[in-house]
Amino acid sequence: QVQLVQSGAEVKKPGSSVKVSCKASGGTFRSYGINWVRQAPGQGLEWMGRIIPILGGANYAQKFQGRVTIIADKSTNTAYMELSSLRSEDTAVYYCAKDGGVGAAAIDYWGQGTLVTV
Amino acid sequence: QSVLTQPPSASGTPGQRVTISCSGGSSNIGSNTVNWYQQLPGTAPKLLIYTNNQRPSGVPDRFSGSKSGTSASLAISGLQSGDEADYYCAAWDDSLFGWVFGGGTKLTVL
Repeated sequence: QVQLVQSGAEVKKPGSSVKVSCKASGGTFRSYGINWVRQAPGQGLEWMGRIIPILGGANYAQKFQGRVTIIADKSTNTAYMELSSLRSEDTAVYYCAKDGGVGAAAIDYWGQGTLVTV
Repeated sequence: QSVLTQPPSASGTPGQRVTISCSGGSSNIGSNTVNWYQQLPGTAPKLLIYTNNQRPSGVPDRFSGSKSGTSASLAISGLQSGDEADYYCAAWDDSLFGWVFGGGTKLTVL
């Protein structure tokens, strides 16, 4: 059973950056995919990007290219998502979510979410 | 504007059967499997159906999924008040190289 535990809520000023962590337990962290998905108030789910720790590099949704950075620390089984140049429209709950890695069929586990208020 | 298209709302009475549709394209549903998520108010999404029609352990068989071409649907039979939630479809998109979601369907049990 995989568990994803995220860092706490953040309040940020416009133009600043936020970094959210996601610590994983269970499964093989290095080989599965860690995704970041956000949900603005009253809105749907929006995929931001993904990293497979064993492969290293992340890929990002075009909308967030240049503003988001996703990294993974294999030594602590923790993934991070940093979003820069924050604006009010970035106010949302940010989720980390695991999939099976290369060729994954589904996102199967979700963190509890981190509210970021800009 | 979501890549996958769902109706914004659906409703039914207790015991009834409801279906929620999800429409996509050749790069997502047309070439990959579909997953469904249930999001209860104030909670994280939960995987409900994966690989078009498979239920994770613990999900009642009242929930079923199907896919045909570039569309998919979720069916809920024996509707219960506890099924009131938002439901999202999702699939991998080979062109965008990422997961895409539907806009979500709010299910109301009357």
